[in-house]
Amino acid sequence: ETGVTQSPTHLIKTRGQQVTLRCSSQSGHNTVSWYQQALGQGPQFIFQYYREEENGRGNFPPRFSGLQFPNYSSELNVNALELDDSALYLCASSLGDRGYEQYFGPGTRLTVT
Amino acid sequence: AQTVTQSQPEMSVQEAETVTLSCTYDTSESDYYLFWYKQPPSRQMILVIRQEAYKQQNATENRFSVNFQKAAKSFSLKISDSQLGDAAMYFCAYRGGGATNKLIFGTGTLLAVQP
Repeated sequence: ETGVTQSPTHLIKTRGQQVTLRCSSQSGHNTVSWYQQALGQGPQFIFQYYREEENGRGNFPPRFSGLQFPNYSSELNVNALELDDSALYLCASSLGDRGYEQYFGPGTRLTVT
Repeated sequence: AQTVTQSQPEMSVQEAETVTLSCTYDTSESDYYLFWYKQPPSRQMILVIRQEAYKQQNATENRFSVNFQKAAKSFSLKISDSQLGDAAMYFCAYRGGGATNKLIFGTGTLLAVQP
């Protein structure tokens, strides 16, 4: 166990809907990164939040957005869901935006129908 | 752009034997980090071992060790005395020396351990 928690464990949404996924980082960690892992693939970096600011983003459209709160927990929001958004969403926490050791949560399995 | 390639989709090893998982990467950076992560069926990604590019010595963590060949851009993972609990998907990952913790993952190698 890494101390990183995510909720919900899994959920099912309909195309066009919006979804919010949540991540609670390991105690003392101030950086959260989000990844999308499609079935049979390695995780793809979505974005990173450091001290409540987005400071790095992968190749994902603006309908993927996030927040980080003063307690360093984080949300991933996805608008206008598409079928291809079906994936496992992982968050990872670390200490500092250059801390090389990241601890992953168990993920949220999102299915879009 | 940096890329990570794992050319072995699946591997199998007998319990107590040794297995090596391969990984190659491409980068023009001189400062970077390499990792092996394990993802069991529970889905939680677990850090197995890390290697800093500036270190010539290969990293070792108990039964896990790496063979880091910087010039060849190769980073293989050796698992000694394989155990049933080692069965999982293994991902090789690259992190550049920049201002984010962005990891670039390979496609993974599914390791089966036979009793």
